[in-house]
Amino acid sequence: DIQMTQSPSSLAASVGDRVTITCRASQSISSALNWYQQKPGTAPRLLIYAASSLQSGVPLRFSGSGSGTEFTLTISSLQPEDFATYFCQQSYTTPRSFGPGTKVEI
Amino acid sequence: QVQLQESGPGLVKPSQTLSLTCTVSGGSISSGGYYWTWIRQHPGKGLEWIGYIFNNGATYYNPSLTSRVTISEDTSKNQFSLKLTSLIAADTAVYYCAREVNYGEPRRFDYWGQGTLVTVSS
Repeated sequence: DIQMTQSPSSLAASVGDRVTITCRASQSISSALNWYQQKPGTAPRLLIYAASSLQSGVPLRFSGSGSGTEFTLTISSLQPEDFATYFCQQSYTTPRSFGPGTKVEI
Repeated sequence: QVQLQESGPGLVKPSQTLSLTCTVSGGSISSGGYYWTWIRQHPGKGLEWIGYIFNNGATYYNPSLTSRVTISEDTSKNQFSLKLTSLIAADTAVYYCAREVNYGEPRRFDYWGQGTLVTVSS
């Protein structure tokens, strides 16, 4: 099975900050990497798929990059509604697996 | 607009079987190109992929759960279901159904249900 890790596990930031979250896979997954945002009590929301493609309706301040085993999610200018937990997920093979999450806090 | 909605009991006793149903609207589960998936999230924890059904009934399960899991579908009701047997406290989680895009497209979970909390307790 492919193990996903994320760093940091949490971070404190302010509105307007540039935020970068890193995700690593235990083996190469090409570009089969997705990012989700989750707020308390709600289901995850797809932000980025195939490592760098922006899901329809997602603000342009979100971007993704990487391939192989190392990926990043960047929020260019943090907004109040962006305080949430972010998960990466590999779609390269089954079983699908998720990172443990990064909580973005004020 | 595709919508998914989970339904089922919120409290189940240890050793019993959990049965959840996901009702899909705005799209047919019989149409190609999608894996209809169950995912769970233990309280305050990360996400665990349980398995999916596709292609008129073919299934694939997480090896960690395969001995206890069955996913089935009822195309006449546009629903798919999860059965998890021999429940233990560690199965307490929020259970989500989701649609995974597939077949020639980058795979991703683009639509999710709101989730349903299942507590395993006597």
